[in-house]
Amino acid sequence: EAQVTQNPRYLITVTGKKLTVTCSQNMNHEYMSWYRQDPGLGLRQIYYSMNVEVTDKGDVPEGYKVSRKEKRNFPLILESPSPNQTSLYFCASRGYETRNTEAFFGQGTRLTVV
Amino acid sequence: GIQVEQSPPDLILQEGANSTLRCNFSDSVNNLQWFHQNPWGQLINLFYIPSGTKQNGRLSATTVATERYSLLYISSSQTTDSGVYFCAGISQGGSEKLVFGKGTKLTVNP
Repeated sequence: EAQVTQNPRYLITVTGKKLTVTCSQNMNHEYMSWYRQDPGLGLRQIYYSMNVEVTDKGDVPEGYKVSRKEKRNFPLILESPSPNQTSLYFCASRGYETRNTEAFFGQGTRLTVV
Repeated sequence: GIQVEQSPPDLILQEGANSTLRCNFSDSVNNLQWFHQNPWGQLINLFYIPSGTKQNGRLSATTVATERYSLLYISSSQTTDSGVYFCAGISQGGSEKLVFGKGTKLTVNP
């Protein structure tokens, strides 16, 4: 089954404690990205990657890091989480150098930073 | 900038009713998709519809790219259809991110 898998689904952590949200896709997609969703602000892109070893900032990259060492994985790293990073996070993937660019989303990660 | 506008923002239906959701987009938005965000927060793919018409059960969608709009039809609505419906398109150039509308919140009452 074609899917994007995020883990964990729910996470409560304390300010300053480094955490990683994993994302993996099995569709051989080139393009992967992270979004956060906040009430009243909609979905905003954090970081994106057009292929292995190619990453770039989205609209709200402050406080986040990513890496793309393998095509299938695109982890999101919060080095020192703060309460303003409490949000619902989504990983997404899609084809890039193909005609079909349908995007698929992971199940979401609800992060609370206290 | 890139514009994706959805209407109506809120919709309340009785079970069994039909509805039409609209998405207007600027000429720099490509590859339109419709999503359903269920009450648990998951984003479910409904349609990938750059142009034309598609149907999947009680749902169907039509995109007229030349006139920059897309419509999502829900027939014989069920309580499980409740949630927020988003349309989104890929912005050309730059990050080529998905640009989302603000969504239509649908409530289907039994």
